[in-house]
Amino acid sequence: SAVISQKPSRDICQRGTSLTIQCQVDSQVTMMFWYRQQPGQSLTLIATANQGSEATYESGFVIDKFPISRPNLTFSTLTVSNMSPEDSSIYLCSVEGPIAGAGLLYFGPGTRLLVL
Amino acid sequence: KQEVTQIPAALSVPEGENLVLNCSFTDSAIYNLQWFRQDPGKGLTSLLLIQSSQREQTSGRLNASLDKSSGRSTLYIAASQPGDSATYLCAVYLASGKSTFGDGTTLTVKP
Repeated sequence: SAVISQKPSRDICQRGTSLTIQCQVDSQVTMMFWYRQQPGQSLTLIATANQGSEATYESGFVIDKFPISRPNLTFSTLTVSNMSPEDSSIYLCSVEGPIAGAGLLYFGPGTRLLVL
Repeated sequence: KQEVTQIPAALSVPEGENLVLNCSFTDSAIYNLQWFRQDPGKGLTSLLLIQSSQREQTSGRLNASLDKSSGRSTLYIAASQPGDSATYLCAVYLASGKSTFGDGTTLTVKP
């Protein structure tokens, strides 16, 4: 199994500011995913991040608002830009492993964001 | 577009009871189905993964079944305990590499 850590675990931010969330995996993985879970709702995929290429965003999510970096096979960052209270959510990093294409997902502990 | 529905949305049972959580999906062309547990304010913990060619998977007191043709999966929890209280999510994984999640069933097991 993959062990995933996220930083920060939680944060309270002012509207208009930006927050960068880090995701670290204990093994090399091809595909990393960023999800958002708004209060009382299920998970929504923001984007898929593969190392060495631009992230692929889902409908309703854009790079200017959620820029993603994937500098290597064990690390990724998600930035939530120009935040508003509607961005208050849990942000979850996920990886597929241990075999690419098997569809077994592992999740980090999440970053709980509150925007005032 | 794949839609995943979980029924019931919430369930409260006394300790020791056996229970079944349901998950249905609209497009049977799935690669696999995965059940997760989520504790309040936490990330997701994988419970069971069923490949599309499988009918069921078991882990301890948990048993998950899959009927791909009818678009249904169930998670059976035997002899429930208060520590089982959590939200249970199912997710279907497509050949495209994307997963679609249900809204979850929030389970409360009362001592």
